[in-house]
Amino acid sequence: DTEVTQTPKHLVMGMTNKKSLKCEQHMGHRAMYWYKQKAKKPPELMFVYSYEKLSINESVPSRFSPECPNSSLLNLHLHALQPEDSALYLCASSQRIAGGLVNEQFFGPGTRLTVL
Amino acid sequence: LAKTTQPISMDSYEGQEVNITCSHNNIATNDYITWYQQFPSQGPRFIIQGYKTKVTNEVASLFIPADRKSSTLSLPRVSLSDTAVYYCLVGDKNSGGYQKVTFGTGTKLQVIP
Repeated sequence: DTEVTQTPKHLVMGMTNKKSLKCEQHMGHRAMYWYKQKAKKPPELMFVYSYEKLSINESVPSRFSPECPNSSLLNLHLHALQPEDSALYLCASSQRIAGGLVNEQFFGPGTRLTVL
Repeated sequence: LAKTTQPISMDSYEGQEVNITCSHNNIATNDYITWYQQFPSQGPRFIIQGYKTKVTNEVASLFIPADRKSSTLSLPRVSLSDTAVYYCLVGDKNSGGYQKVTFGTGTKLQVIP
């Protein structure tokens, strides 16, 4: 199984709502990533988890709260978002290969988020 | 992380070879060069990765000159299904168990019948 799955595919929420995005992989990868992608722009890194510990937070506002409950799951909790947070949210994972090197990232299809 | 510069867009006819060049003047010694492909409303997909000289796989070739300040992705005989955005990235392949990379602006390739 070389697939990263994300749910839901689409999400519409109001500015006072609380929602969560979910990401799952069963490739044994120990690094997982959240990216945000606005229309016609490249993906921007938000968070990186390595061995279930938060390794990188790219100065993301606290209304985005990541969680990595185990090595296969990654969540992104959303609260009090703004309309400008509307975007495609991508999850990715990568593995450590021989020699400690880290190889390509496998991306999920993304969750299209609209904040009203 | 080294910044990358690519052409914003390119057009090509079906069956032609397409070469997309990426500039990365500040590439570091440990950085690898990676290319991803992205279709609309999908996540990026890994195409190829290299450190120096030439790398070839079943879908593309990657040419990297000795100074590594640029790289060229070569797609042989493109088809309509190759219409996508192609991103060049540089980043440390070994970063404590994870990979931190920065996506460039990407090149939108339009394949014409």
